[in-house]
Amino acid sequence: QKEVEQDPGPLSVPEGAIVSLNCTYSNSAFQYFMWYRQYSRKGPELLMYTYSSGNKEDGRFTAQVDKSSKYISLFIRDSQPSDSATYLCAMMVRSTLTFGKGTMLLVSP
Amino acid sequence: SAVISQKPSRDICQRGTSLTIQCQVDSQVTMMFWYRQQPGQSLTLIATANQGSEATYESGFVIDKFPISRPNLTFSTLTVSNMSPEDSSIYLCSVDGIFSGLAGAISSTDTQYFGPGTRLTVL
Repeated sequence: QKEVEQDPGPLSVPEGAIVSLNCTYSNSAFQYFMWYRQYSRKGPELLMYTYSSGNKEDGRFTAQVDKSSKYISLFIRDSQPSDSATYLCAMMVRSTLTFGKGTMLLVSP
Repeated sequence: SAVISQKPSRDICQRGTSLTIQCQVDSQVTMMFWYRQQPGQSLTLIATANQGSEATYESGFVIDKFPISRPNLTFSTLTVSNMSPEDSSIYLCSVDGIFSGLAGAISSTDTQYFGPGTRLTVL
């Protein structure tokens, strides 16, 4: 079993939809949880960062962590075509990041 | 966050040659990392670039194949040596622990910011 599991997609939604992206993990030692957005031919861009169970909101984005279930989610409200990208979950312990494979999101106008 | 640049942005190389990738940060940082991103795969950590000492390599990566330098707190290089087509990938540097302010306080700990990547194709 890989340490971090993430459905690669692609996930196709119409503009305005609510998007839910998810990752599961097996290592209970992970302390910090992040979501990165990566556009084609670009480096990953940090979107959300949290270290505790619960929700964290930033504009249209909400990151949710459930440590008891080892499950994290990223919700995107009112999705836009500009949100089309690959979304990577990542988890950190002792400065070491472990990434999921990324989910490709396609938002159609 | 910090502004991170990489050179070259892309290159096409012949088998058996070597390529050095540069990573420059606009702020002093405590930690710099090198990752590889192969098609359809997760980002994989190659090594942590330590300032003033030898890099710390992850399992499966060795210094002879991926020599790394880090002469100061804002710059690092990764060399991909004796390349084969299997080395075709995107190579990314990332940073953590950005120094800020006159007191040298460290901000942005326990998060990593990435450069734009270097897309390498080996023929």
